[in-house]
Amino acid sequence: GAGVSQSPSNKVTEKGKDVELRCDPISGHTALYWYRQSLGQGLEFLIYFQGNSAPDKSGLPSDRFSAERTGGSVSTLTIQRTQQEDSAVYLCASSFRYTDPEQFFGPGTRLTVL
Amino acid sequence: GEDVEQSLFLSVREGDSSVINCTYTDSSSTYLYWYKQEPGAGLQLLTYIFSNMDMKQDQRLTVLLNKKDKHLSLRIADTQTGDSAIYFCAERTSGTYKYIFGTGTRLKVLA
Repeated sequence: GAGVSQSPSNKVTEKGKDVELRCDPISGHTALYWYRQSLGQGLEFLIYFQGNSAPDKSGLPSDRFSAERTGGSVSTLTIQRTQQEDSAVYLCASSFRYTDPEQFFGPGTRLTVL
Repeated sequence: GEDVEQSLFLSVREGDSSVINCTYTDSSSTYLYWYKQEPGAGLQLLTYIFSNMDMKQDQRLTVLLNKKDKHLSLRIADTQTGDSAIYFCAERTSGTYKYIFGTGTRLKVLA
């Protein structure tokens, strides 16, 4: 596809379960970002990938959160032992290079933890 | 540290102009962005300005930058109901990868 895609679009899970969120960036984009958008909040930076490596994981809120990127393309954000405060929209964005002025956003995954 | 602030809500009548304001703290050479988010969608880049510019105009959108006061505004002329959305201001220091987003301003356009 032409844009950034994310799956699933919605995920409802029970507290304590693990979830995986997927991001397919635009083909050829080396920079990939994950953000979290909570109700009434701005975008909270979670992690940045350059190719397969993550030089900045500083935004991950706890060690229950992890992310990987394989082949410099698809990225997976994993949340273990989910808590209710993890409920949010998780947005992925990509750009050709991090120095490009524009990053392109996916539609997000809405996570609800019951 | 870096911070970006916006007011949370703005309501205007259809056909009027909307002005959405943002303040930022980074004093380096920086890119400043305006994004639009419609319900259930990701963020769409509307426009951006580099900090050596004072103004940028693109059709109905006008961006004004007051570098001294670190104040950025987005003016939407002839606001339409389709402009109802959340508008995010963001900054990124040139040469770095990290974007700092504001909390977003929810614009409601009344018919």
